[in-house]
Amino acid sequence: KQEVTQIPAALSVPEGENLVLNCSFTDSAIYNLQWFRQDPGKGLTSLLLIQSSQREQTSGRLNASLDKSSGRSTLYIAASQPGDSATYLCAVRNGANSKLTFGKGITLSVRP
Amino acid sequence: EAGVVQSPRYKIIEKKQPVAFWCNPISGHNTLYWYLQNLGQGPELLIRYENEEAVDDSQLPKDRFSAERLKGVDSTLKIQPAELGDSAVYLCASSAGSIYNEQFFGPGTRLTVL
Repeated sequence: KQEVTQIPAALSVPEGENLVLNCSFTDSAIYNLQWFRQDPGKGLTSLLLIQSSQREQTSGRLNASLDKSSGRSTLYIAASQPGDSATYLCAVRNGANSKLTFGKGITLSVRP
Repeated sequence: EAGVVQSPRYKIIEKKQPVAFWCNPISGHNTLYWYLQNLGQGPELLIRYENEEAVDDSQLPKDRFSAERLKGVDSTLKIQPAELGDSAVYLCASSAGSIYNEQFFGPGTRLTVL
């Protein structure tokens, strides 16, 4: 059974800092991995999707990497801003038509 | 392009009452998912539809939960009767069924059972 872990559960950083959010998964035979952002009381917004054959994906100030063999992914946020404050969830899919297995998320607070 | 639409956004009911949630996926997306999200947790899949067929409902508590996706477009998730432990956010997502299968989520329905 796939398990996804995100540690720490919460993180607070000053504005402008570069930061890394970690995600680990127990079954390395994944199909793809997706990073989401969730604002309080809102649904999930897809940030980046990495296929199993890819090593990283970039979108603006965000960069997600994938190391399947070690069961890890990182989300790098450059020059953090208060507007980046949200919960970031990592989710993996083990097959083309299988469900997403989510971590519990990391709640990020960027202090002005 | 409109995103995934869900209604209602909030629902407060007393235990043992029935409740229904509605979802309209992104146009052209043939795969639809219902997830349950408890506070401080990641979403957990309840049921997945490919067009009008439920292809994964193993996590759906069938004694009180039911879902339908008539005509393979919008979907309804029902709970009857609701219990206190059903208080959570119910999220709907859809995907185009492409090789990437990126899922797009709606805003969710926050259910409170008193």
